[in-house]
Parts: sequence; structure tokens; C-alpha cells
Amino acid sequence: ETGVTQTPRHLVMGMTNKKSLKCEQHLGHNAMYWYKQSAKKPLELMFVYNFKEQTENNSVPSRFSPECPNSSHLFLHLHTLQPEDSALYLCASSQGLGGETQYFGPGTRLLVL
Amino acid sequence: GNSVTQMEGPVTLSEEAFLTINCTYTATGYPSLFWYVQYPGEGLQLLLKATKADDKGSNKGFEATYRKETTSFHLEKGSVQVSDSAVYFCALSLYNFNKFYFGSGTKLNVKP
Repeated sequence: ETGVTQTPRHLVMGMTNKKSLKCEQHLGHNAMYWYKQSAKKPLELMFVYNFKEQTENNSVPSRFSPECPNSSHLFLHLHTLQPEDSALYLCASSQGLGGETQYFGPGTRLLVL
Repeated sequence: GNSVTQMEGPVTLSEEAFLTINCTYTATGYPSLFWYVQYPGEGLQLLLKATKADDKGSNKGFEATYRKETTSFHLEKGSVQVSDSAVYFCALSLYNFNKFYFGSGTKLNVKP
């Protein structure tokens, strides 16, 4: 499946670093999402974008900064992260909002030292 | 509110055994229901879905029926394979909400 791609697949960063995660969807969808998946915790929705406009921020700390320049690309900018931010970050897309099937990328495994 | 509850894992089965993973939901409207699967080191893949009561979703030998009367969407497979070992997530979405509600996931281990 190459509908939703994410880079890098693995990332190790220190707490003072700045890095970015990239997501690209090739499905012609209009909505994109960031999720955080931590061990032994449910999937957490972080951000939702629809037609490049942010429609939801699920009380995410400001050290996570999303960017959606167009409907095909979504970034998650990271700075001054904490070790508890180590997780699998998943990107997803859907045709629209309102219950549409979401298609996921393979995720970026992030380790914060 | 809206939520999904699925059985705790891990579930360990021998190859060719029958699989059931229970999923129940609460919803403020009329949800669509989904099963996603996550193989080790990968993202979530849509396995099957059902959009209205009594619909049956099916894919790769897996089935689930949308039961409104019991608010359930249990996942079944008649004969599991080692390659089915993965984490399975039940989820719901509502037309007037722009997000999914996921269950906590059930890990399935299939032994040869």
C-alpha cells in the first residue's frame, strides 16, 4: 500500500532538537489527521485538517506544531520534546469529514532521549 | 458519549482455530463501524466496515455484523492462520463528527 506515506520511518532526537515528520497522501483525499500511538494506551487523535484548514486540535502541547500546505501534504514539527513523547506517530487521510473511512500511513517511530 | 469497548488481549489461538474478538459501542447517533488491523511495525489497515444496522462487512475470511440491538460488531474468522497475528482495532465514526473513536486494540497471537 502506498496510498499514504510517512517519512522518516524512525527518528531519534534529543530534547533540544527540532525535527519534522512528513506525511503525503496519493488518494486525492481532502482531510488529513495526526495520531499518537503509545504503548498500552489507546490511539490519540492530535490534529485534523480539512481542505488545508485545521478543524481540530485535541489539546496537544505547543511543542507539536502541525502544518498543512495543501490537501496532499501534512507535517508535524517537533521541538523541545520530552521522553514521554516517544511513540508511533500515525498519519491518516479520508475523502472528507463526517465518518469517512480513514487510510493510515505506516507511521514514524519516534524516540526522544 | 461515544466510545468503543473491545475485549482485552492477548488472544492466543492455534492455527485453524475459530476466532471471535468482541466489540461493543455506545454512540449518540447512527455510527459506521470498522475493524482495522495493525501488523508489527506497520500502520493501521482497514480490514472491513459496515455502515448500517444488519450490514455484514467481510474481507480475507474475516466477518463482522452490525448489531444495533446489542450495539455490537464482533469480529470472527473461521480458521485463523499464523499470518493473522496482529493487533485488531474496532472503531466507530459518526456522520456529524470529524473523528473516529477507537477501541484499545486486541492482540492476536496465532501459533503453528
